[in-house]
Amino acid sequence: GENVEQHPSTLSVQEGDSAVIKCTYSDSASNYFPWYKQELGKRPQLIIDIRSNVGEKKDQRIAVTLNKTAKHFSLHITETQPEDSAVYFCAASLGSARQLTFGSGTQLTVLP
Amino acid sequence: EAGVAQSPRYKIIEKRQSVAFWCNPISGHATLYWYQQILGQGPKLLIQFQNNGVVDDSQLPKDRFSAERLKGVDSTLKIQPAKLEDSAVYLCASNRGQQTYNEQFFGPGTRLTVL
Repeated sequence: GENVEQHPSTLSVQEGDSAVIKCTYSDSASNYFPWYKQELGKRPQLIIDIRSNVGEKKDQRIAVTLNKTAKHFSLHITETQPEDSAVYFCAASLGSARQLTFGSGTQLTVLP
Repeated sequence: EAGVAQSPRYKIIEKRQSVAFWCNPISGHATLYWYQQILGQGPKLLIQFQNNGVVDDSQLPKDRFSAERLKGVDSTLKIQPAKLEDSAVYLCASNRGQQTYNEQFFGPGTRLTVL
């Protein structure tokens, strides 16, 4: 069935280093790929998204890349800070109603 | 603008009991979603409304779960009877239109514990 796989499930980096989280999706017709950040006990919040007509998008320290041929997309965080510590979810618009299917999440820990 | 509101924030019930959750989306948002987020997992879509009509409820366990969105604004999600495996956070989200590449705004969620 339709599926979004996310790796790694946990990631620890030193403050100032970069972090990369990868997702793959199954439906080649998917056209929208958002990334959400969820701090402990809080709601998911959109941090960046990309549509299928572009290959890369940047917003300050955050970037997302999309490879439609390989059906994968990645989140890149540069110059990580302790406040970047959270669970990050990727998602893809799948299915006939174009609803979002989420990955299983990555717990990012930025060590001071 | 005010965000998505949900109540209650926490609920503890025993198995086989009933429970209901309420959501008030952002004003003017036509599309409303209910998600189930089990601990350690990503949100899983239960049901999607466009105004007061159901767009997709293919993952809603209809033998025990029901949802409605009367008048195309507020929505309620009900579980009757609850099972242990229903313990999760129930998130409501809304966005402006039918196209999913409008940002979905999430509410704070209702944490349900079934004993």
